[in-house]
Amino acid sequence: ILNVEQSPQSLHVQEGDSTNFTCSFPSSNFYALHWYRWETAKSPEALFVMTLNGDEKKKGRISATLNTKEGYSYLYIKGSQPEDSATYLCALDSGGGADGLTFGKGTHLIIQP
Amino acid sequence: KAGVTQTPRYLIKTRGQQVTLSCSPISGHRSVSWYQQTPGQGLQFLFEYFSETQRNKGNFPGRFSGRQFSNSRSEMNVSTLELGDSALYLCASSLDNTEAFFGQGTRLTVV
Repeated sequence: ILNVEQSPQSLHVQEGDSTNFTCSFPSSNFYALHWYRWETAKSPEALFVMTLNGDEKKKGRISATLNTKEGYSYLYIKGSQPEDSATYLCALDSGGGADGLTFGKGTHLIIQP
Repeated sequence: KAGVTQTPRYLIKTRGQQVTLSCSPISGHRSVSWYQQTPGQGLQFLFEYFSETQRNKGNFPGRFSGRQFSNSRSEMNVSTLELGDSALYLCASSLDNTEAFFGQGTRLTVV
């Protein structure tokens, strides 16, 4: 059973501050890493799919990095806004999609005005 | 472009009954995966269908089954419901081995 860990479990951040959180995964079972944002009462929304060691991806104020050798990925949010409040999930794809995604339990981010 | 549609959104069933959940993927997507989320747990992979064939199955008992139709719509069935089956069931569709798009889920409550 693959173990994908996310930390911290929850985070309160002041509006305007920047923040980051971590996803750890077994590096020996890597095909791709996915990041999702999941707002309450909505569907999980794909943020990034990362495949190469050293990958850095950016979407607006959100960016992510990937280290497949040591088995971790960081998600960064610059200048947090209230609309960034959500649960951020990472998921390991270990088999090119055929084995499903193994999700972490998420980081619950709350932006305080 | 319509997203992934799951029906029903909410469902209450009694222990011992069976239930069928439906998922309509994004047009053109042939892969449909199902996930279960229970309180305190991450999303757990149930199974994946591609072109009407089950490609892989997660670690769930045989009471959980599924199928996919020629139009890529998928159904998931749970027989002999237990209280522990109460969960949010999400399906996701994708072009083969790419970014997955999720539906809003079906919230199943077993009483």
